[in-house]
Amino acid sequence: EIVLSQSPGTLSLSPGERATLSCRAGQKVDSDFVAWYQQTPGQAPRLLIYGASSRATDTPDRFTGSGSGTDFTLTISRLEPEDFAVYFCQQYGSSPGTFGQGTKVEIK
Amino acid sequence: QVQLVQSGAEVKKPGSSVNISCKASGGTFSTSAFSWVRQAPGQGLEWMGGIVPFFGTPIYAQKFQGRVTIIADESTTTTYMELTNLKSDDTAVYYCVRPNSGYDGWFDPWGQGTQVTVSS
Repeated sequence: EIVLSQSPGTLSLSPGERATLSCRAGQKVDSDFVAWYQQTPGQAPRLLIYGASSRATDTPDRFTGSGSGTDFTLTISRLEPEDFAVYFCQQYGSSPGTFGQGTKVEIK
Repeated sequence: QVQLVQSGAEVKKPGSSVNISCKASGGTFSTSAFSWVRQAPGQGLEWMGGIVPFFGTPIYAQKFQGRVTIIADESTTTTYMELTNLKSDDTAVYYCVRPNSGYDGWFDPWGQGTQVTVSS
């Protein structure tokens, strides 16, 4: 199965700043089948991005997914208070789908 | 808009079994896929298996083969996940999810989660 490594583990930023989250796969992800999820404390993950760069319904346009092959990035252009959360990447190009361990975006 | 509502928290003894339900509303139940994902403390997210009610035959992640059973009841639009021979490291939040296609595509929506605690 494909191992996904997310970095950094924790990102300390202030509201209004730009966040760049990385997800690296141990092997090429077919068809760039990568999704990103946001999880706030006590809540289920919520889909943000699929197909590496397509925003899910209701995903604000300050969230941008990019990348291909083995390297994928989630960028949050200007952090809003509700964006401080944990973010997971997932690959679903090879079965079984697998997740990264998460990046926590915390308030500096 | 599909919504998934799961059954409540469970506390189980090692060696016992747990059965969690997930009721779907909205969408077309029989031709949708439903999967189960768990989140254990410090272990990240794991896909456990899935089912398409129309086809009836579930598939399971190799790690859980022999211990997990997923079924779907079209009459109540509910899926169930049973995990047997529970161990302490099965303590986790279990989520019902809908894959966009197949059994493990991207997942949307997610149920609210069911906390399962395994403790003697």
